[in-house]
Amino acid sequence: QVQLQESGPGLVKPSETLSLSCNVSDYSIRSGYYWGWIRQSPGKGLEWIGSIYNTGSTYYNPSLKSRVITISLDMSKNQFSLKLSPVTAADTAVYYCARGGLSTIGLFDYWGQGILVTVSS
Amino acid sequence: DIQMTQSPSSLSASIGGRVTITCQASQDISNYLNWYQQKPGKAPKLLIYDASNLQTGVPSRFSGSGSGTDFSFTISSLQPEDIAIYYCQQYDQIPPTFGRGTKLEIK
Repeated sequence: QVQLQESGPGLVKPSETLSLSCNVSDYSIRSGYYWGWIRQSPGKGLEWIGSIYNTGSTYYNPSLKSRVITISLDMSKNQFSLKLSPVTAADTAVYYCARGGLSTIGLFDYWGQGILVTVSS
Repeated sequence: DIQMTQSPSSLSASIGGRVTITCQASQDISNYLNWYQQKPGKAPKLLIYDASNLQTGVPSRFSGSGSGTDFSFTISSLQPEDIAIYYCQQYDQIPPTFGRGTKLEIK
């Protein structure tokens, strides 16, 4: 059973950088699959942010691409990370990490529990 | 982006009753359509993938059908634990996009 767990600050100031990590257990991210970030807010619902393949290839939502600094892998820690900047109050949301498909970005079969990130001064 | 329109946005049904939710894509997505269940405070859970395939471990009372632009999701006999919000999601094109959800309540 693949397990994912998000971590990072729950409060970020406007104009700063949102940095989150996702620790993956019981599956080696180097073995394959896409790994992605999805957020959920009352205003926008569920919104895909971006995904990374085990090769390091990245794919971003065009609506956020200019502000996604990076989605990256850390094979040594079996983690992947998200950096988004600059943030505004509109980026307040629950952020989920999820496993995508073996050959497709959009089949999210395992999810983390989610982390609430509030953007406020 | 492909827009996913779910209906209804909420519905009430009786235990043991049949529930159907529809999802319409703004363009042809073949069968690249998933259904998720989300309970309060929890992450979405994949129930149906590729429009009609039941994810491992999901009860057989859940089913999905459709292709192209029109899809449906059915619970054949509603159970108390099925109270949740249900979302459709397309992955034919990047970005993957989700419907706004259908909130299911007990009548």
